[in-house]
Amino acid sequence: GESVGLHLPTLSVQEGDNSIINCAYSNSASDYFIWYKQESGKGPQFIIDIRSNMDKRQGQRVTVLLNKTVKHLSLQIAATQPGDSAVYFCAETPRGGYNKLIFGAGTRLAVHP
Amino acid sequence: GAGVSQSPRYKVTKRGQDVALRCDPISGHVSLYWYRQALGQGPEFLTYFNYEAQQDKSGLPNDRFSAERPEGSISTLTIQRTEQRDSAMYRCASSHHSPGTSGSAGELFFGEGSRLTVL
Repeated sequence: GESVGLHLPTLSVQEGDNSIINCAYSNSASDYFIWYKQESGKGPQFIIDIRSNMDKRQGQRVTVLLNKTVKHLSLQIAATQPGDSAVYFCAETPRGGYNKLIFGAGTRLAVHP
Repeated sequence: GAGVSQSPRYKVTKRGQDVALRCDPISGHVSLYWYRQALGQGPEFLTYFNYEAQQDKSGLPNDRFSAERPEGSISTLTIQRTEQRDSAMYRCASSHHSPGTSGSAGELFFGEGSRLTVL
């Protein structure tokens, strides 16, 4: 399959550890943020989203934190598993523009046994 | 089908030829999106349809690119007079929601893409 993220920053973690992937977004008017996971050879897959009126949202093993003051978004993965190895993209949408997701550059997560 | 289906998966063409890329979204999904993804980068928005109406085509690079979704289901992205810089992975995505509705408006379901190589 196609390799995604040939020259992306890489976060290496041990299986079972917690992972934190960071993202700086550009548009202070963005009001909706999403994390996507992309495995090699596949399309991006939705993980979790958060609206700008929240600063934290939890899912299954994942938590997204939003700091609007510094325009920073993070994805926390608890008890990282080998299946979590992928490229992770944050995406933002401008206010009222849900049709247009603007993706960041991505971070590769490598989970080692 | 169970997911978004794109065809062809791989297309190699000579510079100057026209190509048509097809997207079959998840049944019942209202919204359909085309993105382009270069190696090592995030997807880049091209255009968006709500049912059969093309609501936003601001991401299309130039007038050689066009898209249609005549019956509100299958969509075709056409690139005329292809150039080498058009080489990329073209991804289609669909969503159950229309923009601005409640719920996970950002939950797009992506297909596996069409890899275009222009020689």
